[in-house]
Amino acid sequence: EVQLVESGGGLVKPGGSLRLSCAASGFTFSNSRMNWVRQAPGKGLEWVSYISGSSTYIYYTDSVRGRFTISRDNAKNSLYLQMNSLRAEDTAVYYCARDHPVVRGINDYWGQGTLVTVSS
Amino acid sequence: DIQMTQSPSSVSASVGDRVTITCRASQDIITWLAWYQQKPGKAPKLLIYAASSLQSGVPSRFSGSGSGTDFTLTISGLQPEDFATYYCQQANSFPYTFGQGTKLEIK
Repeated sequence: EVQLVESGGGLVKPGGSLRLSCAASGFTFSNSRMNWVRQAPGKGLEWVSYISGSSTYIYYTDSVRGRFTISRDNAKNSLYLQMNSLRAEDTAVYYCARDHPVVRGINDYWGQGTLVTVSS
Repeated sequence: DIQMTQSPSSVSASVGDRVTITCRASQDIITWLAWYQQKPGKAPKLLIYAASSLQSGVPSRFSGSGSGTDFTLTISGLQPEDFATYYCQQANSFPYTFGQGTKLEIK
């Protein structure tokens, strides 16, 4: 059974940092492309970042580029999102999601999400 | 960036009804489109990928169609568990973008 479990969310002050983790199981993680998607309270979904299986290809949405860093450790079956210089508008539930094995860019499995709150 | 526009933003329907939600892309995305269902407090669930392919385990009352810029999600014979918010998403190019969502409510 595919499982994705996020952790690391919490309350942080503007300008602060946080590192999210996503523990994957039930599939061959090293072969899987992964994404982070977020959802601000009461709002829609926003794609944040993508990483290929070997970390060769990495992409970000404009609003986080230069502040967030996606990475993975295939030996630990884990995905990460290092978030620096956090802003109030980064407040959201952050989901890790697996790219569909056949159709890139489509997320077929999602974690339960972890809430990040940026507030003073 | 490719803009995704869903309509309507909300719709009321009854159990057993047929509902259609549309999604328009600001440029040609061929069939690089997915539909997700999200219930309050839960993660999104993939329903349809590649515009018209039904994800494994999803009931056949859900169907998708379209190509290019115009897409539809149809739910035939609404069930109580279908009342949720639905999102389309393009995967043609980065940044991947979602529609604003369509909330399906019970009439």
